[in-house]
Amino acid sequence: NAGVMQNPRHLVRRRGQEARLRCSPMKGHSHVYWYRQLPEEGLKFMVYLQKENIIDESGMPKERFSAEFPKEGPSILRIQQVVRGDSAAYFCASSPSPRAEQYFGPGTRLTVT
Amino acid sequence: KQEVTQIPAALSVPEGENLVLNCSFTDSAIYNLQWFRQDPGKGLTSLLLIQSSQREQTSGRLNASLDKSSGRSTLYIAASQPGDSATYLCAVGSYSGGGADGLTFGKGTHLIIQP
Repeated sequence: NAGVMQNPRHLVRRRGQEARLRCSPMKGHSHVYWYRQLPEEGLKFMVYLQKENIIDESGMPKERFSAEFPKEGPSILRIQQVVRGDSAAYFCASSPSPRAEQYFGPGTRLTVT
Repeated sequence: KQEVTQIPAALSVPEGENLVLNCSFTDSAIYNLQWFRQDPGKGLTSLLLIQSSQREQTSGRLNASLDKSSGRSTLYIAASQPGDSATYLCAVGSYSGGGADGLTFGKGTHLIIQP
């Protein structure tokens, strides 16, 4: 059973470009969570999604950030018009049910130049 | 709002010692607590999950305890090895966390085991 997969592992974007981060949950998991780890900071919850639904986006910045988890395909975290402060590691986790053990992917390290 | 604190922030001990990492949280209304390991530049590896109704969990040389009423958890590592060197993260699933379904993380304990 493959674990949580994220791609790309490393992403470099210039200021003003768009970043798209992908997450494929573990097989059988329909609950996906996105977290951000800023340099020298702890991991912070961003958003929780189930298939085709955003359940909780209380940790998402109000502007430029969006997330989706379509019926088919991976979950996508989209950052529009990136700024240097968006440089961070973005982790995705999945679980088989709400409030169950979460399994993390290897992360996508975004660098904004 | 849930807050999670881990003490110490860093720890360096000789190989073979037993050690304890501490985690405290401000709101006892939790549904679970997870301990993770993170190696530099890598993702998170889940070590132990304790449900709110449990007092402890064990896996190999690791033992985690939970005292929900006092807002504390400890991770005990027996007979430490250089391969245990990593950052250890405590994460709480709580009804008052930042996003009730997301985990609230501490900043971690950076552990170095000296050969």
